[in-house]
Amino acid sequence: QQQVKQSPQSLIVQKGGISIINCAYENTAFDYFPWYQQFPGKGPALLIAIRPDVSEKKEGRFTISFNKSAKQFSLHIMDSQPGDSATYFCAAKVVSGTYKYIFGTGTRLKVLA
Amino acid sequence: NAGVMQNPRHLVRRRGQEARLRCSPMKGHSHVYWYRQLPEEGLKFMVYLQKENIIDESGMPKERFSAEFPKEGPSILRIQQVVRGDSAAYFCASSSGGKETQYFGPGTRLLVL
Repeated sequence: QQQVKQSPQSLIVQKGGISIINCAYENTAFDYFPWYQQFPGKGPALLIAIRPDVSEKKEGRFTISFNKSAKQFSLHIMDSQPGDSATYFCAAKVVSGTYKYIFGTGTRLKVLA
Repeated sequence: NAGVMQNPRHLVRRRGQEARLRCSPMKGHSHVYWYRQLPEEGLKFMVYLQKENIIDESGMPKERFSAEFPKEGPSILRIQQVVRGDSAAYFCASSSGGKETQYFGPGTRLLVL
């Protein structure tokens, strides 16, 4: 079963706080794990991505933590800002053949000023 | 601007009409993916195309939906005899290769009356 489970569904964080979004997958047929940020009425924009041979990747205020044995990965947004308020999707890319992405159901983040 | 372009951005159709959604990939990209997003849900893979070839259409409904990516011109997602359940945002993504990152367009929001 190719599925990615994402939690929480929604998240409210105070400005300056840490936002944490978690994803878990159910098989090992994935080799690339991107996170996308989507604002209302816009398309998803690539935020940060990781491959399974790396346990952590940091870009500015955004960090992905990856636990291959647990089949889990998470996005941490440090010093969250009101401008970060958006919907975040994790995804997993199928290893071969189709290379399609399987998306999580999304987390709606609201950062309070 | 070398981003993925989609048009129209908004499309209104009455039940039974045809909808044609167009996608121009990023310059240099020859791989196109179509995804559908229902309200408050994640993106669901529909079809993966390379120039003149359908590689994977496992996410396409068996009837009324078709896609093409001709040698010249944009990729087209065609929905015949639309029904209200087809109302959704349709996103196109492109990549330079199957293993490479997918970049998304702004989407076409289809409303079926």
